[in-house]
Amino acid sequence: EAGVAQSPRYKIIEKRQSVAFWCNPISGHATLYWYQQILGQGPKLLIQFQNNGVVDDSQLPKDRFSAERLKGVDSTLKIQPAKLEDSAVYLCASSSGQGGQETQYFGPGTRLLVL
Amino acid sequence: AQSVTQLDSQVPVFEEAPVELRCNYSSSVSVYLFWYVQYPNQGLQLLLKYLSGSTLVKGINGFEAEFNKSQTSFHLRKPSVHISDTAEYFCAVSVPRSGYNKLIFGAGTRLAVHP
Repeated sequence: EAGVAQSPRYKIIEKRQSVAFWCNPISGHATLYWYQQILGQGPKLLIQFQNNGVVDDSQLPKDRFSAERLKGVDSTLKIQPAKLEDSAVYLCASSSGQGGQETQYFGPGTRLLVL
Repeated sequence: AQSVTQLDSQVPVFEEAPVELRCNYSSSVSVYLFWYVQYPNQGLQLLLKYLSGSTLVKGINGFEAEFNKSQTSFHLRKPSVHISDTAEYFCAVSVPRSGYNKLIFGAGTRLAVHP
């Protein structure tokens, strides 16, 4: 079974530029998550999708971050414009269900450096 | 609101020695508890989880954890570590609520196994 795929793996941009990350979840997984992991911290949930609907985006900085999951499969997370404090690893995860007991399967992440 | 505290940011240990990684949580409601491992440049992988029932949970790679409700702890243990166990370990909680699957992570414990 293929795991969660993410691209690119690494990205370096200047502040105020825009950037987009792509995620393809495990086949058949209805729930998709984007987490932000700042160096030295645990991952923090940015947004959760159930199929193509948003379940929780309470911690997404909506003035600069946006995410979509068209057709309920793969997803894109965008930052525009980027700030220095956005430097982090962006992790995508998926699960088959949406109860709190579900195991989330994580991709390798995209490491973003904002200069 | 829920929170997770991992009491040690770094744990050095010699190969074949036992190890315990400590995790305490705070919540006004019942929670599910998880331990994830993150190897360098990889995503997170589930080690084990506690949903209900027996308070001693066995996971992959010889790890186990014990849920202690009175002390609100979920410490991770392994009786004999290997060099390959060197990684970052994250404790996390989620709330048993239908349609809601947010994982709240601790800051992580870096386990360094020395020969």
